[in-house]
Parts: sequence; C-alpha cells; structure tokens
Amino acid sequence: QKEVEQNSGPLSVPEGAIASLNCTYSDRGSQSFFWYRQYSGKSPELIMSIYSNGDKEDGRFTAQLNKASQYVSLLIRDSQPSDSATYLCAVYQGAQKLVFGQGTRLTINP
Amino acid sequence: KAGVTQTPRYLIKTRGQQVTLSCSPISGHRSVSWYQQTPGQGLQFLFEYFSETQRNKGNFPGRFSGRQFSNSRSEMNVSTLELGDSALYLCASSPGVGKETQYFGPGTRLLVL
Repeated sequence: QKEVEQNSGPLSVPEGAIASLNCTYSDRGSQSFFWYRQYSGKSPELIMSIYSNGDKEDGRFTAQLNKASQYVSLLIRDSQPSDSATYLCAVYQGAQKLVFGQGTRLTINP
Repeated sequence: KAGVTQTPRYLIKTRGQQVTLSCSPISGHRSVSWYQQTPGQGLQFLFEYFSETQRNKGNFPGRFSGRQFSNSRSEMNVSTLELGDSALYLCASSPGVGKETQYFGPGTRLLVL
C-alpha cells in the first residue's frame, strides 16, 4: 500500500462545477495534511493546510479531513479554467517527512 | 519577503559527472528539504536539514548528498550522474520542523545525457 494515494486522473470538470479531489494515507498517526497545486513546468504552490477533522474553507477551496477513515479531500467550487493543474496531496509521516501522493491532473473545460 | 530561490534553474550534464545545486530559503526559515520529481515517480523526498544537521533522509543512494550552512542556505550534490538522475530537483523551506508548511522554490531542471 502506498503511503499517500491519489487518483491520477485526468479528472475533467465543466467550468462552474465543483471539482472533488481525494486522497488516502496509510500512517494513522499523521497529524498534518496539505494540498498543493502544480502547473505544468512549475513548482508546487500551497493551497491549503489542515490539521483537525472536519472542513476548512478558503475562498473557493474547501479541505476536508477524516482521520478515522484516513481520508483527506479538496473541493473546488465554481471551477475556472485557471484551476487546470495537477493537485498534490501531502501528509507528514510521524512528523518526520512530508510524503506526497502522485497527484491528480485536473482539467476544467470551458 | 522573497521566496525560496534555487540556482541554477537549468543544467545539462553527462553521465559520470557530478553536480551541485543551491537553495536559499525564505528569510527566517531554518529548515530546508530537497525533493526529486520525475514523471514516473512523482515527488520523492531526498533529505531535510535543520540548523546545519541532516534531520531525515529518503531512500536514495549515497551518490546524493547535501549540507546546510549557518545562514540556512543549502546545497545538494549528486556524484557520478546517471541517466535516471534527470529530473526536477525542488527545494522547500519551512520555519521549523515537524508539521510546518513547506514552501517550494522554482526548482532546478537537470538533464543527464
């Protein structure tokens, strides 16, 4: 089992719709979770961090964490073509290192 | 605040050579982590430095090494380059260690011929 798993996609969503990105992790003791966005040819940029169970909202983005199910997700409301990118889920393993999923490629269709 | 900077941005080397990459963290950040990104393997953790000490190391051969200086700047070195070392090398900085958010630099794209 991979430490952090994401559906590689591609995930195609029409403009204005909600994009839902999912991530599962194996280390039950993980405490810190991050979503990064990476445009082609660029480096990852932080979208959100989440540490507690439940939802955390920032503008059009909502991160959801369920530690019991070892599941973290990212919702993007009112998706825009500029949201087309690869989204990386990252989890701190035992406060020792940040482990990334393979990323989900998201395409927003105008 | 200026972001994380990495030099050089692009590099072409031949097999057997060695290469040194440099990373300057965000001012005030004391932790620097290095990652290798390839299409097949994704983002792989190389090592993390904090206060000039290597705090953690990923599963890479000993040809990959690094160090951190007293001003928190970091370098990584790859000796005896192989074709498979062609990748985007990313540096990320954070204020401290543990669950701190990491901020990435633009990366160094290395091509080994």
